[in-house]
Amino acid sequence: QQQVKQSPQSLIVQKGGISIINCAYENTAFDYFPWYQQFPGKGPALLIAIRPDVSEKKEGRFTISFNKSAKQFSLHIMDSQPGDSATYFCAARFDKLIFGAGTRLAVHP
Amino acid sequence: GAGVSQTPSNKVTEKGKYVELRCDPISGHTALYWYRQSLGQGPEFLIYFQGTGAADDSGLPNDRFFAVRPEGSVSTLKIQRTERGDSAVYLCASSSGLAGVTDTQYFGPGTRLTVL
Repeated sequence: QQQVKQSPQSLIVQKGGISIINCAYENTAFDYFPWYQQFPGKGPALLIAIRPDVSEKKEGRFTISFNKSAKQFSLHIMDSQPGDSATYFCAARFDKLIFGAGTRLAVHP
Repeated sequence: GAGVSQTPSNKVTEKGKYVELRCDPISGHTALYWYRQSLGQGPEFLIYFQGTGAADDSGLPNDRFFAVRPEGSVSTLKIQRTERGDSAVYLCASSSGLAGVTDTQYFGPGTRLTVL
């Protein structure tokens, strides 16, 4: 019930393409869903986050789509750039943050 | 400093030894978190401090792990009788503790612990 399942494990996208990462959860008590970006040798950094009463949130090239009934949420990166190459983690919070296993994104020029 | 800092950045120790990992949170942040990140995995919650007290230590794997934050700022994660399975990156995060459920956690770069 505490797990957050993330897919795919790895993703290769051409520059300018759309990157899509999906997450699913079971615990309906989760009330906050952030996405983190992590570069090698660095700690995760908050990218964008959403509350379950909102179906979509957009910040620049990054969009979260949230489907409460399906208990799924996804990150879309529009116009993907080589500088977006990193590992992305979804997370969900009830009393603590539970992270997915991560998606390693590579954007090829 | 502007961000969360952790020392050392790397620690190599032998099985059975004792180690201490240090975290300096962002100045003024009352909430502090420790996570463990194994290779190819997401961070796994260990313990959460609000001020000086451990508000939630449910993620500590066993009694070999202990953390303190005596003055409500710097925190030390202590691991006794280290085992090879303790090898991981240990991440620290801090937050203002004021924004409720949306309180953003800012992570440090981590300490990579290797137990030989």
